Amino acid sequence: EDQVTQSPEALRLQEGESSSLNCSYTVSGLRGLFWYRQDPGKGPEFLFTLYSAGEEKEKERLKATLTKKESFLHITAPKPEDSATYLCAVQAGSGNTPLVFGKGTRLSVIA
Amino acid sequence: GAVVSQHPSRVICKSGTSVKIECRSLDFQATTMFWYRQFPKQSLMLMATSNEGSKATYEQGVEKDKFLINHASLTLSTLTVTSAHPEDSSFYICSARATGHPMGYTFGSGTRLTVV
Repeated sequence: EDQVTQSPEALRLQEGESSSLNCSYTVSGLRGLFWYRQDPGKGPEFLFTLYSAGEEKEKERLKATLTKKESFLHITAPKPEDSATYLCAVQAGSGNTPLVFGKGTRLSVIA
Repeated sequence: GAVVSQHPSRVICKSGTSVKIECRSLDFQATTMFWYRQFPKQSLMLMATSNEGSKATYEQGVEKDKFLINHASLTLSTLTVTSAHPEDSSFYICSARATGHPMGYTFGSGTRLTVV
């Protein structure tokens, strides 16, 4: 069974305090690993897709990396507006298979 | 590109009534859509996979007679919660497979259902 585990469940940072969120996965035939940001009462907002080990992608203060067992979302010098829940999801198999989500990391950035 | 519109964003209904939630792909054709349910501070749990022109595939434990899914066109899927009860109160999110698009999957903004 495909599984996605995110840690920590919640993270509180001071503004400017860099950190990393972890997403470990067990999946047969990874087709892609996805990172989303979700604000309260909203749907997930796409951040990154990673396809193979060693791949890295960046967007503003966020950088996502991928190994064969886990992915990290690095947040550099976060700001209060980065506060949100960050979700990791995997696509396994081929075709139009649904994403399997982790439980997310609730990030709070304090000014 | 690859935008999904979900309506309504919030709905309050009485116990025993039915509620329909719509999910529309605005600028692409979605042969496959997915419906998720999310409880407070929990992740997205897949309810069903909807394919245009065929019956939806429900996840184990999801009552297909209670959560009716219709995907009659390439741009519209609907979820109807029938005979709603307070325990059906939740946040429902649809997603569409955006084949060929860099994001791969796109999500609606969600519907907050409250059954009183």
